[in-house]
Amino acid sequence: EAEVAQSPRYKITEKSQAVAFWCDPISGHATLYWYRQILGQGPELLVQFQDESVVDDSQLPKDRFSAERLKGVDSTLKIQPAELGDSAMYLCASSQDRVETQYFGPGTRLLVL
Amino acid sequence: QQQVKQSPQSLIVQKGGISIINCAYENTAFDYFPWYQQFPGKGPALLIAIRPDVSEKKEGRFTISFNKSAKQFSLHIMDSQPGDSATYFCAAKGNFGNEKLTFGTGTRLTIIP
Repeated sequence: EAEVAQSPRYKITEKSQAVAFWCDPISGHATLYWYRQILGQGPELLVQFQDESVVDDSQLPKDRFSAERLKGVDSTLKIQPAELGDSAMYLCASSQDRVETQYFGPGTRLLVL
Repeated sequence: QQQVKQSPQSLIVQKGGISIINCAYENTAFDYFPWYQQFPGKGPALLIAIRPDVSEKKEGRFTISFNKSAKQFSLHIMDSQPGDSATYFCAAKGNFGNEKLTFGTGTRLTIIP
């Protein structure tokens, strides 16, 4: 069964450092989502891509976060500089075009010290 | 603004019993209501979903009950098993142009022998 791949699975960094997360969606899925999940809460959408275009980045803190999906396949989420409050699970999900079901990857757990 | 309220925060049920988790929403533009199951260290996985044109949907031991007038929906797990122990999230999605998933805060379910 096809799965969403994410790496790394865990990342520990110091505040003010740069971090990057990678996501490879299920093959053929045009829509890709990045979510942030704070411990004990539900996921919150950071950015949504349709192919290589950003559809929704209204909740992305653009002063420090950036996301790209250059060829409309895999995607990278970057944080620079990281802050203590960025400690969370970063989840990537993908879906087929015009289909609601989102498939989530295993996530990257970030700890900022 | 929290648009999907979920309760209870945690739930303990005996094996074989019925687990019930409730959600309420505010935005009447929502037209798709999924439930996700998340095990520790894993990403959420779609369990079952419903649209507001039906009042109930059943898949195996899992049933969604939907009350459009009250803007509430609930997940019922019949014959609860220890393997059902996980965190459950309700979510809601709007129609075209407002397609992001808004998640509830989650319910940690523990099934005891």
